[in-house]
Amino acid sequence: KNEVEQSPQNLTAQEGEFITINCSYSVGISALHWLQQHPGGGIVSLFMLSSGKKKHGRLIATINIQEKHSSLHITASHPRDSAVYICAAANTGNQFYFGTGTSLTVIP
Amino acid sequence: GAGVSQSPSNKVTEKGKDVELRCDPISGHTALYWYRQSLGQGLEFLIYFQGNSAPDKSGLPSDRFSAERTGGSVSTLTIQRTQQEDSAVYLCASSPGQGLYGYTFGSGTRLTVV
Repeated sequence: KNEVEQSPQNLTAQEGEFITINCSYSVGISALHWLQQHPGGGIVSLFMLSSGKKKHGRLIATINIQEKHSSLHITASHPRDSAVYICAAANTGNQFYFGTGTSLTVIP
Repeated sequence: GAGVSQSPSNKVTEKGKDVELRCDPISGHTALYWYRQSLGQGLEFLIYFQGNSAPDKSGLPSDRFSAERTGGSVSTLTIQRTQQEDSAVYLCASSPGQGLYGYTFGSGTRLTVV
């Protein structure tokens, strides 16, 4: 069993749709990271959060520590949002556990 | 092995010394990435190797940092004249293609500069 589970693995959406990607983890964490990887590009850190909610532009990340669950939301999705989104849990020793990623395609 | 292997898992070094961090990617993976995470910070991209192409070094923070990938497989990240701000977890990842879904991360090397 993976310490971090993401869903869905693949997601296709129409431009403008509201998108949610889910992440569940089983380890004790100090922080939960959401990462983005565009095709052919490096991985970019979108959010690091340990509680509550963070917002950056059209991206929103939430975390429920009690339920060990986090979600990444994209509002008014755009084709440039097409990428792989990765959830990563960092424990108190700063060891990372990575989800397998969600491949998002946004169709114009 | 089945996964990305990094060594050492932990390294403590004195300020001013050079260190080498090693990454063994999954066999057959053509893409290899180095990242680091400093305490309380998000992941920071360092360098990206893709096949035989020239690496993308745009993330290297200073000329004290260098990396090479021999034979398209093992990669070594070298930090010269280490500084305390270099203390971080250094992560390596590999993927089967050009940034395609299917990447795998190693468990990282924790570097502490004292």
